[in-house]
Amino acid sequence: NAGVTQTPKFRILKIGQSMTLQCTQDMNHNYMYWYRQDPGMGLKLIYYSVGAGITDKGEVPNGYNVSRSTTEDFPLRLELAAPSQTSVYFCASSTRTGPYEQYFGPGTRLTVT
Amino acid sequence: ELKVEQNPLFLSMQEGKNYTIYCNYSTTSDRLYWYRQDPGKSLESLFVLLSNGAVKQEGRLMASLDTKARLSTLHITAAVHDLSATYFCAVDNSGGSNYKLTFGKGTLLTVNP
Repeated sequence: NAGVTQTPKFRILKIGQSMTLQCTQDMNHNYMYWYRQDPGMGLKLIYYSVGAGITDKGEVPNGYNVSRSTTEDFPLRLELAAPSQTSVYFCASSTRTGPYEQYFGPGTRLTVT
Repeated sequence: ELKVEQNPLFLSMQEGKNYTIYCNYSTTSDRLYWYRQDPGKSLESLFVLLSNGAVKQEGRLMASLDTKARLSTLHITAAVHDLSATYFCAVDNSGGSNYKLTFGKGTLLTVNP
């Protein structure tokens, strides 16, 4: 049982490039989330999904897109990368029933230069 | 908009001492979570508090929730170096539907010998 996995672990992008951050969970969780973590700022929610085919914006969605075609996968797409998107990105998942805690992946450290 | 405030943001303790980290939040919620993050690592779930008066303990850490005061505390007893990490509280701001979390900025705890 791998839990939540993310790829890649590290990536350097040039301004204007695009990329997809991959997230997969094998716990059959309905809910999945993408967060970004900036130094000293806690985690901020980018997008979330309550099931396959259903996604919604979080607190900081601008510059990102998501899709959820299966229960297991929840990729995050960055279009036209900007330096402001330099951050650590965490994917998380949780069940639809209690206690609702979120399980986090190992993170992707992204630098845009 | 839900605001979650932790204090202190930085805490330097000596081994063997006791201390408390506070987490205040601005709107009604009865679900609160505590996470631990080691440097360069992901977030690990510590406690899930789901009702007013809930108290959970694990080793030297004890968490409590007062929903009327909108306050949770994380109490550290007889600190040891292994407890050095960043601790986050997170509050469910979804009204119980999608389990979206708003995180505090985190408390960086350093336990010195």
